[in-house]
Amino acid sequence: GQNIDQPTEMTATEGAIVQINCTYQTSGFNGLFWYQQHAGEAPTFLSYNVLDGLEEKGRFSSFLSRSKGYSYLLLKELQMKDSASYLCAVRGANFNKFYFGSGTKLNVKP
Amino acid sequence: DAGVTQSPTHLIKTRGQQVTLRCSPKSGHDTVSWYQQALGQGPQFIFQYYEEEERQRGNFPDRFSGHQFPNYSSELNVNALLLGDSALYLCASSFSFPGLAGRGDNEQFFGPGTRLTVL
Repeated sequence: GQNIDQPTEMTATEGAIVQINCTYQTSGFNGLFWYQQHAGEAPTFLSYNVLDGLEEKGRFSSFLSRSKGYSYLLLKELQMKDSASYLCAVRGANFNKFYFGSGTKLNVKP
Repeated sequence: DAGVTQSPTHLIKTRGQQVTLRCSPKSGHDTVSWYQQALGQGPQFIFQYYEEEERQRGNFPDRFSGHQFPNYSSELNVNALLLGDSALYLCASSFSFPGLAGRGDNEQFFGPGTRLTVL
């Protein structure tokens, strides 16, 4: 079966850095995606990793280790608007299916 | 360039009824995937349509069916509604065969979703 784990909830302070971890066990792997989802809205794409290493995109970075089945999303210079759920998703072997974790709710405090 | 659109935005039905949700993909995309997202959970894959056929299916009963039209738009049908079908239904569009080098081709774009409430 497919298993994607991420913490349920995290709290951080405005201006700080936060790291959201994701571990996965899936039958086949063709990329790991991070999405941001504000309450009541659709997920929006943040980052994509298919090779090991760090991908940086402004205040957001994502890391992947395929051998460890591990990824993290790093958010720097936190802003209040970053309060949202962050979803880790793995694309399966046939490119057609995405498996999502339950999401990490990030609360940014002043 | 319009993104992914879904209709209706909200829907209230009673147990046993049937519902049809609609999705239009982002311009240039040919593949549509449907997801069910219960409150506080991540999206769960229902099925995916490409070339008007169901290409892949998740662990959902046959009460969930779909269709894709020649213009790539899609419908999700749910029969014999249960209380547990209450959720946000998300449609996502993508390219059918994304290249690994073309990172911009790899992501799914989600629509705003349809909030279904079953009473």
